[in-house]
Amino acid sequence: NAGVTQTPKFQVLKTGQSMTLQCAQDMNHEYMSWYRQDPGMGLRLIHYSVGAGITDQGEVPNGYNVSRSTTEDFPLRLLSAAPSQTSVYFCASKTGHHEQYFGPGTRLTVT
Amino acid sequence: AQSVTQLDSQVPVFEEAPVELRCNYSSSVSVYLFWYVQYPNQGLQLLLKYLSGSTLVESINGFEAEFNKSQTSFHLRKPSVHISDTAEYFCAVSEAAAGNKLTFGGGTRVLVKP
Repeated sequence: NAGVTQTPKFQVLKTGQSMTLQCAQDMNHEYMSWYRQDPGMGLRLIHYSVGAGITDQGEVPNGYNVSRSTTEDFPLRLLSAAPSQTSVYFCASKTGHHEQYFGPGTRLTVT
Repeated sequence: AQSVTQLDSQVPVFEEAPVELRCNYSSSVSVYLFWYVQYPNQGLQLLLKYLSGSTLVESINGFEAEFNKSQTSFHLRKPSVHISDTAEYFCAVSEAAAGNKLTFGGGTRVLVKP
């Protein structure tokens, strides 16, 4: 199993540009989520999904969209990038009451 | 709503010395508790977890944490650290009844010095 994979590893955007961060898992996990990591703030939940076709907002959803058309994939879209979205983004998945498995992260810089 | 507080943002420690990382949480319901470790430029890996049963949980690399319900704490300890334990450690909590969303503390950066 590859586990949770994320692409790209690094990305630089200009303010106002849009892009999609990709996340995929091959463990048949129902639950997937996106977090952003900022210094001193731990990880904060952006959006999550409990299964294909079902998504919901987390703690910091503004400026981000998600969709879940398949069990495996959970892309995160930045609609119009802002410098405040400069962060490291992590995707995670889990099943049942087990722990969440995290991807390697995408480091995004918005100039 | 639940919250997690990690009282120390940085902990310098000498090799082979003990270390304790403090974690306190607040929640009005039963919780599951986790410690994750993040090595430099990597994602998060589960270190250990408390779901139920014995309040003392251990990891395979010598860390342990004790769930204290009365003090709402889940402190992480290791009796003798190695250089390779240099990393950032995150405490996290989720509701036991609806255990999907994780709430993280701000992280504690451990720097092990030779």
